Amino acid sequence: AQSVTQPDIHITVSEGASLELRCNYSYGATPYLFWYVQSPGQGLQLLLKYFSGDTLVQGIKGFEAEFKRSQSSFNLRKPSVHWSDAAEYFCAVGAQDDGLTFGKGTHLIIQP
Amino acid sequence: SAVISQKPSRDICQRGTSLTIQCQVDSQVTMMFWYRQQPGQSLTLIATANQGSEATYESGFVIDKFPISRPNLTFSTLTVSNMSPEDSSIYLCSVLDRATEAFFGQGTRLTVV
Repeated sequence: AQSVTQPDIHITVSEGASLELRCNYSYGATPYLFWYVQSPGQGLQLLLKYFSGDTLVQGIKGFEAEFKRSQSSFNLRKPSVHWSDAAEYFCAVGAQDDGLTFGKGTHLIIQP
Repeated sequence: SAVISQKPSRDICQRGTSLTIQCQVDSQVTMMFWYRQQPGQSLTLIATANQGSEATYESGFVIDKFPISRPNLTFSTLTVSNMSPEDSSIYLCSVLDRATEAFFGQGTRLTVV
């Protein structure tokens, strides 16, 4: 069965500092990988996705993620965070024509 | 991209009653999904709803508790039956756009008292 592990429940980062959110997955086949962001009281917004090809994918809001098959990881990065990035971040895995399995999420706090 | 409208956006219901949540998509889609997000938790897939066939439920979810309809390619409903406080959650509808990207509705925030 597929699973997603986000080992960091909370992360605190100073505004302007770099960010890396970790995601490890377990999946029997080649996975489709996603990062979503959920702001308080808001719906889910897709930041980026990986299906195949270049293992470094660029997303919206200056985010990027790198797929590392050997480590079963899909970590999310941003070189310089803004206060508006404070939110809950979810990593998810799935397959074509299939529902997604989500990680438990990482709560990002931005310090001024 | 697909635009998803969910109704109601929130509701407070008495235990033992049922609530039907509607999901309307602005384009025809094959795959529709229903998720539950319990307070402070992540999203859990409830079921997959394809038009013209019975919904497929994930482990821990049953049709008697969460009956689903999918009458056409742009609409689906999820009913939460015989509700208890443990059913208090956000319920989200999702669709796959050309099988490559999952879009989510804003969710229905359900509180059972």
